[in-house]
Amino acid sequence: AQSVSQHNHHVILSEAASLELGCNYSYGGTVNLFWYVQYPGQHLQLLLKYFSGDPLVKGIKGFEAEFIKSKFSFNLRKPSVQWSDTAEYFCAVNLMDSNYQLIWGAGTKLIIKP
Amino acid sequence: KAGVTQTPRYLIKTRGQQVTLSCSPISGHRSVSWYQQTPGQGLQFLFEYFSETQRNKGNFPGRFSGRQFSNSRSEMNVSTLELGDSALYLCASSLAASGGIADTQYFGPGTRLTVL
Repeated sequence: AQSVSQHNHHVILSEAASLELGCNYSYGGTVNLFWYVQYPGQHLQLLLKYFSGDPLVKGIKGFEAEFIKSKFSFNLRKPSVQWSDTAEYFCAVNLMDSNYQLIWGAGTKLIIKP
Repeated sequence: KAGVTQTPRYLIKTRGQQVTLSCSPISGHRSVSWYQQTPGQGLQFLFEYFSETQRNKGNFPGRFSGRQFSNSRSEMNVSTLELGDSALYLCASSLAASGGIADTQYFGPGTRLTVL
């Protein structure tokens, strides 16, 4: 069965540190890729998405992600994190033959120490 | 534009009971998806509706069912509740999805269900 893996369940960083959250999926076909974020007390919201074109996509709040097809990966990055980035981050993958279903990773809880 | 609303926000039920959760999508959104969220498990897809038709279903038992009305509002029902059904149930709406492409989803606050 297809799956999405987020390697770290918890990440703790200091402000200004660089961030990279891993996301790998198991599917050999065409995919659309998403990162969603859930800030404390708020709804899940879209951070960025990749459908086609430039594999380096930029999202809100200075986040970016790179799609590397050969590695089945879509890692999320931010060069310098802020305390306000404390949140839970979810990677989701839409398999092009799965109709309308998204497959989600288990999430990574990110804590930024001020 | 008002966001996705879910009612009720909190529910406490006992084993064996049934429950109905409601979701009102963003105006103009015709697709509604339901998810179960539990700590460490991420989001598990329940089902997706578009124009009153269930287009896709996840791997949940038949106790979990749903429907969508002509105004795109959706309900989810769980019968014969079990302790393991305790979770946050999220509803998400999107404009439309065609050709197998999942559109950006807009989430509601969720309904926290506790089964005792």
